[in-house]
Amino acid sequence: AQTVTQSQPEMSVQEAETVTLSCTYDTSESNYYLFWYKQPPSRQMILVIRQEAYKQQNATENRFSVNFQKAAKSFSLKISDSQLGDTAMYFCAYEDRDDKIIFGKGTRLHILP
Amino acid sequence: DAGVIQSPRHEVTEMGQEVTLRCKPISGHNSLFWYRQTMMRGLELLIYFNNNVPIDDSGMPEDRFSAKMPNASFSTLKIQPSEPRDSAVYFCASSVGLAGGYSYNEQFFGPGTRLTVL
Repeated sequence: AQTVTQSQPEMSVQEAETVTLSCTYDTSESNYYLFWYKQPPSRQMILVIRQEAYKQQNATENRFSVNFQKAAKSFSLKISDSQLGDTAMYFCAYEDRDDKIIFGKGTRLHILP
Repeated sequence: DAGVIQSPRHEVTEMGQEVTLRCKPISGHNSLFWYRQTMMRGLELLIYFNNNVPIDDSGMPEDRFSAKMPNASFSTLKIQPSEPRDSAVYFCASSVGLAGGYSYNEQFFGPGTRLTVL
Protein backbone atom coordinates (compact mmCIF):
# COMPACT_ATOMS: atom_id res chain seq x y z
CA ALA A 1 0.00 0.00 0.00
CA GLN A 2 1.10 3.52 -0.67
CA THR A 3 2.21 5.63 2.28
CA VAL A 4 3.17 9.26 2.71
CA THR A 5 5.42 10.36 5.56
CA GLN A 6 6.07 13.86 6.81
CA SER A 7 8.73 13.73 9.49
CA GLN A 8 8.42 17.32 10.71
CA PRO A 9 5.27 17.79 12.80
CA GLU A 10 5.95 21.49 13.36
CA MET A 11 8.32 24.18 12.11
CA SER A 12 8.87 27.87 12.68
CA VAL A 13 10.72 30.36 10.51
CA GLN A 14 11.15 34.11 10.41
CA GLU A 15 9.27 36.10 7.82
CA ALA A 16 11.18 36.50 4.53
CA GLU A 17 13.30 33.42 5.17
CA THR A 18 13.25 30.24 3.11
CA VAL A 19 11.86 27.04 4.57
CA THR A 20 11.83 23.48 3.30
CA LEU A 21 9.23 20.91 4.29
CA SER A 22 10.12 17.25 3.87
CA CYS A 23 8.05 14.39 2.52
CA THR A 24 8.80 10.82 1.59
CA TYR A 25 6.43 8.31 0.08
CA ASP A 26 6.33 4.68 -0.82
CA THR A 27 4.80 3.18 -3.92
CA SER A 28 5.43 0.46 -6.44
CA GLU A 29 3.78 2.43 -9.23
CA SER A 30 5.81 4.13 -11.93
CA ASN A 31 3.38 6.91 -12.65
CA TYR A 32 1.50 8.96 -10.11
CA TYR A 33 0.96 12.51 -8.93
CA LEU A 34 2.29 14.26 -5.87
CA PHE A 35 0.88 17.36 -4.25
CA TRP A 36 1.36 19.83 -1.49
CA TYR A 37 -1.83 21.17 0.07
CA LYS A 38 -2.09 24.11 2.43
CA GLN A 39 -4.69 24.21 5.21
CA PRO A 40 -4.84 27.61 6.92
CA PRO A 41 -6.77 28.17 10.15
CA SER A 42 -9.91 28.61 8.04
CA ARG A 43 -9.70 24.85 7.46
CA GLN A 44 -9.98 25.21 3.68
CA MET A 45 -7.79 22.78 1.73
CA ILE A 46 -5.84 24.65 -0.94
CA LEU A 47 -3.71 23.00 -3.60
CA VAL A 48 -0.29 24.65 -3.58
CA ILE A 49 1.63 22.70 -6.17
CA ARG A 50 1.59 19.39 -8.00
CA GLN A 51 4.20 17.18 -9.63
CA GLU A 52 3.72 14.50 -12.23
CA ALA A 53 6.01 11.58 -11.54
CA TYR A 54 6.97 11.06 -15.16
CA LYS A 55 8.23 14.63 -15.44
CA GLN A 56 11.79 15.12 -14.28
CA GLN A 57 11.54 18.88 -14.08
CA ASN A 58 10.65 20.15 -10.64
CA ALA A 59 7.38 22.07 -10.43
CA THR A 60 7.35 25.72 -9.37
CA GLU A 61 4.53 28.11 -8.52
CA ASN A 62 5.77 31.60 -7.69
CA ARG A 63 7.46 31.34 -4.27
CA PHE A 64 6.75 27.62 -4.00
CA SER A 65 8.93 24.97 -5.56
CA VAL A 66 9.53 21.29 -5.06
CA ASN A 67 12.55 19.03 -5.08
CA PHE A 68 11.32 15.77 -6.55
CA GLN A 69 13.70 12.84 -6.23
CA LYS A 70 11.87 9.90 -7.78
CA ALA A 71 14.47 7.24 -7.04
CA ALA A 72 14.64 8.30 -3.42
CA LYS A 73 10.86 8.74 -3.27
CA SER A 74 11.32 12.17 -1.81
CA PHE A 75 9.19 15.24 -2.47
CA SER A 76 10.09 18.35 -0.50
CA LEU A 77 8.47 21.77 -0.66
CA LYS A 78 10.50 24.96 -0.57
CA ILE A 79 8.85 28.23 0.32
CA SER A 80 10.96 31.26 -0.55
CA ASP A 81 10.54 34.72 0.94
CA SER A 82 8.05 33.34 3.45
CA GLN A 83 5.10 35.53 4.38
CA LEU A 84 2.84 35.64 7.42
CA GLY A 85 0.02 34.32 5.25
CA ASP A 86 1.99 31.13 4.69
CA THR A 87 1.25 30.11 8.27
CA ALA A 88 -0.76 26.90 7.93
CA MET A 89 -0.72 23.13 8.01
CA TYR A 90 0.94 21.69 4.93
CA PHE A 91 0.07 18.25 3.67
CA CYS A 92 2.06 16.19 1.26
CA ALA A 93 -0.17 13.90 -0.80
CA TYR A 94 0.04 11.13 -3.36
CA GLU A 95 -2.57 10.25 -5.96
CA ASP A 96 -2.67 6.85 -7.55
CA ARG A 97 -4.05 5.71 -10.89
CA ASP A 98 -7.45 5.23 -9.28
CA ASP A 99 -7.67 8.92 -8.32
CA LYS A 100 -7.35 8.11 -4.63
CA ILE A 101 -5.37 10.68 -2.67
CA ILE A 102 -3.31 9.58 0.32
CA PHE A 103 -2.23 12.36 2.66
CA GLY A 104 0.67 12.64 5.04
CA LYS A 105 0.01 13.65 8.64
CA GLY A 106 1.01 17.23 7.95
CA THR A 107 3.56 19.81 9.04
CA ARG A 108 2.38 22.82 11.01
CA LEU A 109 4.31 25.83 9.75
CA HIS A 110 4.55 29.07 11.71
CA ILE A 111 5.88 32.20 10.02
CA LEU A 112 7.12 34.56 12.70
CA PRO A 113 7.04 38.35 12.25
CA ASP B 1 -18.40 30.48 -9.25
CA ALA B 2 -19.63 28.64 -6.19
CA GLY B 3 -17.23 26.05 -4.95
CA VAL B 4 -18.12 22.83 -3.19
CA ILE B 5 -20.82 23.53 -0.63
CA GLN B 6 -21.11 21.58 2.60
CA SER B 7 -23.73 21.80 5.28
CA PRO B 8 -23.87 22.17 8.15
CA ARG B 9 -20.50 23.81 8.89
CA HIS B 10 -20.71 22.69 12.50
CA GLU B 11 -22.73 19.90 14.05
CA VAL B 12 -22.94 18.96 17.70
CA THR B 13 -24.91 15.89 18.62
CA GLU B 14 -25.21 13.31 21.33
CA MET B 15 -23.99 9.77 21.16
CA GLY B 16 -26.52 7.48 19.53
CA GLN B 17 -28.11 10.14 17.37
CA GLU B 18 -28.20 10.00 13.58
CA VAL B 19 -26.08 12.56 11.79
CA THR B 20 -26.39 13.56 8.14
CA LEU B 21 -23.75 15.62 6.40
CA ARG B 22 -24.52 17.17 3.04
CA CYS B 23 -22.46 18.11 0.03
CA LYS B 24 -23.16 19.93 -3.22
CA PRO B 25 -20.34 19.46 -5.73
CA ILE B 26 -19.26 22.04 -8.27
CA SER B 27 -21.66 22.08 -11.20
CA GLY B 28 -20.37 19.92 -14.03
CA HIS B 29 -18.17 17.81 -11.82
CA ASN B 30 -18.77 14.10 -12.13
CA SER B 31 -16.68 12.75 -9.27
CA LEU B 32 -17.24 13.29 -5.57
CA PHE B 33 -15.07 12.32 -2.62
CA TRP B 34 -15.71 12.20 1.13
CA TYR B 35 -12.76 12.58 3.52
CA ARG B 36 -12.43 12.57 7.29
CA GLN B 37 -9.79 14.52 9.20
CA THR B 38 -8.80 13.67 12.77
CA MET B 39 -5.75 14.49 14.84
CA MET B 40 -4.86 10.84 15.23
CA ARG B 41 -5.38 9.58 11.69
CA GLY B 42 -5.01 12.71 9.61
CA LEU B 43 -6.97 13.00 6.35
CA GLU B 44 -8.50 9.78 5.09
CA LEU B 45 -10.57 9.04 2.03
CA LEU B 46 -13.84 7.41 3.06
CA ILE B 47 -15.65 6.86 -0.23
CA TYR B 48 -15.85 8.27 -3.71
CA PHE B 49 -18.42 8.36 -6.49
CA ASN B 50 -18.21 8.72 -10.23
CA ASN B 51 -21.35 9.66 -12.16
CA ASN B 52 -23.34 9.10 -8.95
CA VAL B 53 -22.10 5.52 -8.59
CA PRO B 54 -19.94 4.53 -5.59
CA ILE B 55 -16.56 3.40 -6.89
CA ASP B 56 -14.62 2.61 -3.74
CA ASP B 57 -15.97 2.56 -0.18
CA SER B 58 -13.06 0.71 1.36
CA GLY B 59 -12.29 3.68 3.59
CA MET B 60 -15.69 3.68 5.28
CA PRO B 61 -14.88 2.78 8.88
CA GLU B 62 -17.86 0.57 9.67
CA ASP B 63 -21.47 -0.15 8.91
CA ARG B 64 -22.63 2.83 10.92
CA PHE B 65 -21.41 4.97 8.02
CA SER B 66 -23.27 5.21 4.75
CA ALA B 67 -23.06 7.56 1.77
CA LYS B 68 -25.38 8.23 -1.10
CA MET B 69 -25.39 10.31 -4.22
CA PRO B 70 -28.95 10.39 -5.53
CA ASN B 71 -28.12 12.89 -8.27
CA ALA B 72 -25.21 14.80 -9.75
CA SER B 73 -25.67 17.78 -7.48
CA PHE B 74 -26.10 16.24 -4.05
CA SER B 75 -24.48 13.71 -1.75
CA THR B 76 -24.98 12.73 1.87
CA LEU B 77 -22.82 11.03 4.45
CA LYS B 78 -24.82 9.50 7.26
CA ILE B 79 -23.66 8.15 10.60
CA GLN B 80 -26.15 6.08 12.55
CA PRO B 81 -25.74 5.71 15.46
CA SER B 82 -23.03 8.28 16.08
CA GLU B 83 -20.26 7.74 18.63
CA PRO B 84 -17.79 10.16 20.26
CA ARG B 85 -14.93 8.70 18.20
CA ASP B 86 -16.71 9.92 15.06
CA SER B 87 -15.88 13.49 16.07
CA ALA B 88 -13.84 14.92 13.21
CA VAL B 89 -13.90 17.33 10.31
CA TYR B 90 -15.56 15.81 7.27
CA PHE B 91 -14.61 17.16 3.86
CA CYS B 92 -16.30 16.72 0.55
CA ALA B 93 -14.36 17.27 -2.67
CA SER B 94 -15.31 17.12 -6.33
CA SER B 95 -13.51 16.88 -9.65
CA VAL B 96 -14.54 16.93 -13.30
CA GLY B 97 -14.12 13.18 -13.42
CA LEU B 98 -11.85 10.26 -12.75
CA ALA B 99 -8.63 10.67 -14.69
CA GLY B 100 -6.90 7.38 -14.00
CA GLY B 101 -3.46 6.43 -15.20
CA TYR B 102 -1.54 9.16 -16.92
CA SER B 103 -3.76 12.18 -16.42
CA TYR B 104 -5.00 14.22 -13.53
CA ASN B 105 -8.12 16.10 -12.50
CA GLU B 106 -7.84 18.45 -9.56
CA GLN B 107 -10.03 17.75 -6.57
CA PHE B 108 -11.65 20.88 -5.15
CA PHE B 109 -12.44 20.73 -1.47
CA GLY B 110 -15.40 22.13 0.40
CA PRO B 111 -15.01 24.02 3.68
CA GLY B 112 -15.67 20.94 5.77
CA THR B 113 -18.17 20.06 8.49
CA ARG B 114 -16.86 19.93 12.04
CA LEU B 115 -18.75 17.16 13.83
CA THR B 116 -18.71 16.83 17.59
CA VAL B 117 -20.38 13.82 19.17
CA LEU B 118 -20.83 14.16 22.92
